Amino acid sequence: DAKTTQPPSMDCAEGRAANLPCNHSTISGNEYVYWYRQIHSQGPQYIIHGLKNNETNEMASLIITEDRKSSTLILPHATLRDTAVYYCIVRSYNTDKLIFGTGTRLQVFP
Amino acid sequence: EAGVAQSPRYKIIEKRQSVAFWCNPISGHATLYWYQQILGQGPKLLIQFQNNGVVDDSQLPKDRFSAERLKGVDSTLKIQPAKLEDSAVYLCASSLAAYSNQPQHFGDGTRLSIL
Repeated sequence: DAKTTQPPSMDCAEGRAANLPCNHSTISGNEYVYWYRQIHSQGPQYIIHGLKNNETNEMASLIITEDRKSSTLILPHATLRDTAVYYCIVRSYNTDKLIFGTGTRLQVFP
Repeated sequence: EAGVAQSPRYKIIEKRQSVAFWCNPISGHATLYWYQQILGQGPKLLIQFQNNGVVDDSQLPKDRFSAERLKGVDSTLKIQPAKLEDSAVYLCASSLAAYSNQPQHFGDGTRLSIL
């Protein structure tokens, strides 16, 4: 499974867009990019996933570069409740595993 | 829709004792996963079930950990005997089907402390 690289921490002002980057330079053709987040004392929460096209849902947008070697999760209007650890995961269709790294700790401040 | 339910929420035991955790997945989800999350780390898969059969248990320490999913719905994870290094949060997740690109949905876990 492809590994991912994320910055350990980021800050964002409330109401601004939070852009969380992820590098996955060894991703292969059948591997999807998934994003989860984990708020303190809760289980990971699914946010969004994609293969090659950009995706948007009610929570966030996922922008995947054309070469698929990196992606960005965008929270359009961050709130204090978005403070969490965000995990970028490359998931192999063949193994069905989610292999979590250490993620990015996003702190949203007033 | 109701999410993944886990109990108990917290458990404190002494080393060498046994403990069991319970998970009720989202209704209709055929695939169930147990993860272990040590403080400061991301979750790590222990075992995966498809209905009541084991798909992957390669990371399960089988000398002390066991899991079952009778009737393909609820699941229990047991540790016997517990060691200090088993202190962690045990997370259960479920998805509609394995190898289908369906997202996994997680419960809030059981926090286990070993004294």
